[in-house]
Amino acid sequence: DIQMTQSPSSLSASVGDRVTITCRASQTIKSYLNWYQQKPGKAPKLLIFAASSLHSGVPSRFSGSGSGTDFTLTISNLQPEDFATYYCQQSKSIPYTFGQGTKLEIK
Amino acid sequence: QVQLQESGPGLVKPSQTVSLTCTVSGDSISSGAYYWSWIRQHPGKGLEWIGYIYYLGSTYYNPSLKSRVTISLDTSKRQFSLILSSVTAADTAVYYCARVPSGSYFQSDYWGQGILVTVSS
Repeated sequence: DIQMTQSPSSLSASVGDRVTITCRASQTIKSYLNWYQQKPGKAPKLLIFAASSLHSGVPSRFSGSGSGTDFTLTISNLQPEDFATYYCQQSKSIPYTFGQGTKLEIK
Repeated sequence: QVQLQESGPGLVKPSQTVSLTCTVSGDSISSGAYYWSWIRQHPGKGLEWIGYIYYLGSTYYNPSLKSRVTISLDTSKRQFSLILSSVTAADTAVYYCARVPSGSYFQSDYWGQGILVTVSS
């Protein structure tokens, strides 16, 4: 299985900040990398697919980059509704695997 | 817009078989445009991909669960199902169904709200 490692595991930031979350794959996954946002008690929501493509309806302050093994999710101008847990997922090889999550908290 | 809704028992005894159903509205599950998947999340933990099914009936499973998992499709009811056999406490989780566009990057673009399945005697 491809292992996905996110860093940091948790992060504190303020409204208006710019934050970056990193995801590393244990082997190359080309651009088969997706990012999800999950709030407590809710299902995950797709933010970014194919490493850098914004899902329909997702605000443009979310952006993704990377290819191969190293990827980043950047959130610019943090809004109150962005405080949540973020997961990366590789969809290059079955079984598709997720990172352990990054919890973004209000400072 | 597509909506997915899980249903099934919330409590299952160890060693039994649990069957969950996902009802899809706002989209056709027989169009070939999507795979239909199951993902679970253990309490307070991360996400685990279980598997998915294509409209022609092809199935793809997580090898760690493959011996106990069956995913099937009922196009007449716009539903797909997950059957998990010989459950243990380790199968206690929130189970999500999700849609996966075919011909794309296999992202799960829309999810159901999830159903908590507790395995306990």
